[in-house]
Amino acid sequence: ETGVTQTPRHLVMGMTNKKSLKCEQHLGHNAMYWYKQSAKKPLELMFVYSLEERVENNSVPSRFSPECPNSSHLFLHLHTLQPEDSALYLCASSQARAGMGLETQYFGPGTRLLVL
Amino acid sequence: QKEVEQDPGPLSVPEGAIVSLNCTYSNSAFQYFMWYRQYSRKGPELLMYTYSSGNKEDGRFTAQVDKSSKYISLFIRDSQPSDSATYLCAMLDTGNQFYFGTGTSLTVIP
Repeated sequence: ETGVTQTPRHLVMGMTNKKSLKCEQHLGHNAMYWYKQSAKKPLELMFVYSLEERVENNSVPSRFSPECPNSSHLFLHLHTLQPEDSALYLCASSQARAGMGLETQYFGPGTRLLVL
Repeated sequence: QKEVEQDPGPLSVPEGAIVSLNCTYSNSAFQYFMWYRQYSRKGPELLMYTYSSGNKEDGRFTAQVDKSSKYISLFIRDSQPSDSATYLCAMLDTGNQFYFGTGTSLTVIP
């Protein structure tokens, strides 16, 4: 185990549903990430919370909404998703060190999402 | 042009073979280079990372970086069936932005 847990592991939802993905890290890190992994595509970084600052990728649709209540927990709120949003959603954490940039990331097992 | 190029494979080799996995990149600002291994139904796990050009060895794994050619490699010696997984290269630029390859699917046949 990497010290990063994600729930649920699998999720099936309709396009009108609202659901949330949860991530928790037990590593004492201060940066957390959401990634989308689709078949045959590189990992797509969606959101970063680093040192309590949120870094947003402008290409992420507003139907994805992150929430980071503290340095150990990260949520991804989902609403009115589309079938093309079906993918593996990975959470990761790392330790951001001043002057050295973001260090290597530790990934959770992911949530396999299917949008019908 | 993609920032990071990685052949998705699939790559199939017999047990005991030497495996070579490669990525090329276009951004001179990349400074950290990482390899992740991802088993089916699991998240990626960090295998190795390196900061500079040259080789870094860890057991059966060797990571090689050639900044002048913008080319990185991961070599697996004496490959085992348990090495069957998808291998992702990743790079970090000076702006703390991560870039990942598409991953190469490897199968080691007993």
